[in-house]
Amino acid sequence: QLQLQESGPGLVKPSETLSLTCTVSGGSISSSSYYWGWIRQPPGKGLEWIGSFYFGGTIYYSPSLKSRVTISVDTSKNQFSLKLGSVTAADTAVYYCARQGTTSCVDYWGQGTLVTVSS
Amino acid sequence: QSALTQPASVSGSPGQSITISCTGTSSDVGGYNYVSWYQQHPGKAPKLMIYDVSNRPSGVSNRFSGSKSGNTASLTISGLQAEDEGDYYCGSYTSTRTLVVFGGGTKLTVL
Repeated sequence: QLQLQESGPGLVKPSETLSLTCTVSGGSISSSSYYWGWIRQPPGKGLEWIGSFYFGGTIYYSPSLKSRVTISVDTSKNQFSLKLGSVTAADTAVYYCARQGTTSCVDYWGQGTLVTVSS
Repeated sequence: QSALTQPASVSGSPGQSITISCTGTSSDVGGYNYVSWYQQHPGKAPKLMIYDVSNRPSGVSNRFSGSKSGNTASLTISGLQAEDEGDYYCGSYTSTRTLVVFGGGTKLTVL
């Protein structure tokens, strides 16, 4: 059974960089049939796609976050990571790592991790 | 402002049927048969309920069904049960370089 698990600091100071890692078990991120990426949800609000990658292919980023986001991949550890720079309180959210099919549906989600931006 | 438009809330009594709409454009919902629906309970990750407009993943009750007409997709839940209460989100493939766009979510209350 595929499982995804987010890890990283739960508190980040304004203007600093948010860093999260997703560890995948029960499947390989090197699979060419899926996208892997990040989705966030501010408290009490809806879902926002951040970005996804297709192993060996292009990394896609949300246009609204593109200037601040980097997604990287470590196939040796079956992990991928998110970095979001110059954070503000508006970046406070539950961050999910997820697997997407090629038709965009998100079929597997991590449990989510709350990241709060505050001094 | 979300890319796809959903009603903020819907409600129904146990045993009844409800429908949640999701309106987009010809660049997303109307242009592709790649609409998905997610159920989210408080404090939990979303769960995929419908993909590619009308397909159910293994294990999802056949009380959940999806359809699409033009730029609007719909999720219908028949035989409402208390456990169906929660938030529902639609998502769609889009022709822009955004791989997926979501609706703002609909809160379902089972009366």
